[in-house]
Amino acid sequence: SQQGEEDPQALSIQEGENATMNCSYKTSINNLQWYRQNSGRGLVHLILIRSNEREKHSGRLRVTLDTSKKSSSLLITASRAADTASYFCAKLVGSNYKLTFGKGTLLTVNP
Amino acid sequence: DAMVIQNPRYQVTQFGKPVTLSCSQTLNHNVMYWYQQKSSQAPKLLFHYYDKDFNNEADTPDNFQSRRPNTSFCFLDIRSPGLGDAAMYLCATSSWAGVSYEQYFGPGTRLTVT
Repeated sequence: SQQGEEDPQALSIQEGENATMNCSYKTSINNLQWYRQNSGRGLVHLILIRSNEREKHSGRLRVTLDTSKKSSSLLITASRAADTASYFCAKLVGSNYKLTFGKGTLLTVNP
Repeated sequence: DAMVIQNPRYQVTQFGKPVTLSCSQTLNHNVMYWYQQKSSQAPKLLFHYYDKDFNNEADTPDNFQSRRPNTSFCFLDIRSPGLGDAAMYLCATSSWAGVSYEQYFGPGTRLTVT
């Protein structure tokens, strides 16, 4: 079964604004990853945060992880029209090598 | 510099006619995955290979098979496609070294069943 959900399901903002997406999960994780998918394309890995980390940055991306609340958030600052895509969180549980993807957030950045 | 290549990008097949999708990688990763993704849904793992070891998800229909003849190539066979099998099929790879790191995805094959 799917581990958790993204929230919101869809988000529409103006260029230059920040976008925040949330991800919740149900069982303990090894790490949590965020992926981007442009329409009709494959997924691209954005950032990975391990269970013992609380925050990570990569360029305009900031990811936080709260293991007590079993949730993570992805912040995209100063958004651009090119950021328009679906964003998925994916959870690695235990020491296996399978990811469980959430349903994703569709982000639309209007120029 | 393509790392995970999927062919073809678009595939049209007839109801019940077997179809094979292919995936190749230049990353020398030991784990390869096949996902099915329907419109506005999350990718759903069908099966994966850890080296030559095949691992099937419990809810993957028997209609779906896979082959991995060597490290670089992996195939998805759909023996008798139904209309419900129309979807994007994504291949991904990962280098497993005790802790799984990120997965690298191909561009996907869009399968249409007529």
